[in-house]
Amino acid sequence: SAVISQKPSRDICQRGTSLTIQCQVDSQVTMMFWYRQQPGQSLTLIATANQGSEATYESGFVIDKFPISRPNLTFSTLTVSNMSPEDSSIYLCSSRSYQETQYFGPGTRLLVL
Amino acid sequence: DAKTTQPTSMDCAEGRAANLPCNHSTISGNEYVYWYRQIHSQGPQYIIHGLKNNETNEMASLIITEDRKSSTLILPHATLRDTAVYYCIVRSSTSGTYKYIFGTGTRLKVLA
Repeated sequence: SAVISQKPSRDICQRGTSLTIQCQVDSQVTMMFWYRQQPGQSLTLIATANQGSEATYESGFVIDKFPISRPNLTFSTLTVSNMSPEDSSIYLCSSRSYQETQYFGPGTRLLVL
Repeated sequence: DAKTTQPTSMDCAEGRAANLPCNHSTISGNEYVYWYRQIHSQGPQYIIHGLKNNETNEMASLIITEDRKSSTLILPHATLRDTAVYYCIVRSSTSGTYKYIFGTGTRLKVLA
């Protein structure tokens, strides 16, 4: 199984600022994903991080707010831009290889004041 | 929208079997059923998955009905550490990209 790490594990930020979350997988994977989990809610898929090309965003999520990079097969970043208190959530990185099981990172807990 | 429905919450006595149902009546022939759990805001943990046949591993058993419209996750001897939110997911495919769509899950509370 893939082991996924995220940095930072948690952060408290001021509104109007931006935070970049890093995701590192211990092996090369085909697919990487970013999810958001708002307090008391289930996970919502933000986007699929594509290597070498623009991420594929789900309905309700846009690149200007959540820019994503994936420079190689083991690393991705998610930036939460121009944050507001409504962005307070857990952000989760996930990965899988083709036709294989999907695994999740430990999450980044973000509080925006 | 999620393609599964689960009860919102369940209780189970410690040491007893926990049976968690999931309805996926619109599942198509090539879609798998996956189960994950999330313990107190940690990242979701993979438990088990199946296509048609019943499956068992060191964590749990998965029973899928013959028509594949529902399944049951069985934790044979629940412990307090099994208290978590359990998610049943049908692996969907859109434009060749499989996406996991999470429903609301079942909040299982194991009671001492």
